[in-house]
Amino acid sequence: DGGITQSPKYLFRKEGQNVTLSCEQNLNHDAMYWYRQDPGQGLRLIYYSQIVNDFQKGDIAEGYSVSREKKESFPLTVTSAQKNPTAFYLCASSMGAAYQPQHFGDGTRLSIL
Amino acid sequence: AQTVTQSQPEMSVQEAETVTLSCTYDTSENNYYLFWYKQPPSRQMILVIRQEAYKQQNATENRFSVNFQKAAKSFSLKISDSQLGDTAMYFCAFMKHDMRFGAGTRLTVKP
Repeated sequence: DGGITQSPKYLFRKEGQNVTLSCEQNLNHDAMYWYRQDPGQGLRLIYYSQIVNDFQKGDIAEGYSVSREKKESFPLTVTSAQKNPTAFYLCASSMGAAYQPQHFGDGTRLSIL
Repeated sequence: AQTVTQSQPEMSVQEAETVTLSCTYDTSENNYYLFWYKQPPSRQMILVIRQEAYKQQNATENRFSVNFQKAAKSFSLKISDSQLGDTAMYFCAFMKHDMRFGAGTRLTVKP
């Protein structure tokens, strides 16, 4: 079955450490997105990519980095510069046309040790 | 930048009753798309319904329907015959070049 796979489901980061969240899709979607969700808040856009080897910053890109070397993959790195990384992270993909809804992965919960 | 406002942080409804969740947005765009997503306790995001701004007819999906008022920039979701499985967070979203979400409404369906 086609879908979006996020891994790991839970991730722990030590102070000063970079961590990478994986997002893979087999839906042949052009566009991919990363969101951060904090308790009691909606989803905030971190980065998005509409085509391979290209990506744009969202509203809260500081302290994060991404790459899009393959259509299927859009990993997110949470760097040590992100001072408050504890959150739930959701990856999404879509066909790229504005009218197409986004399909979401099951999320990764990142916590600080 | 576009903003999406959901003014009801929490709502509750009795099983089999009808409930309406509010959403307003701010944009200068004329063509765009609106969505309602459901996030149950499993935290999976599930598309409920979508509306194209150029269509005057309100979208309907089984028990879910919207009231889209373009001039008022309003996009409310009506859930009819509420079921216990409808208990979830509901997010309104606006899409033009990227998707913007509201803060969500936590809906509880009571037996």
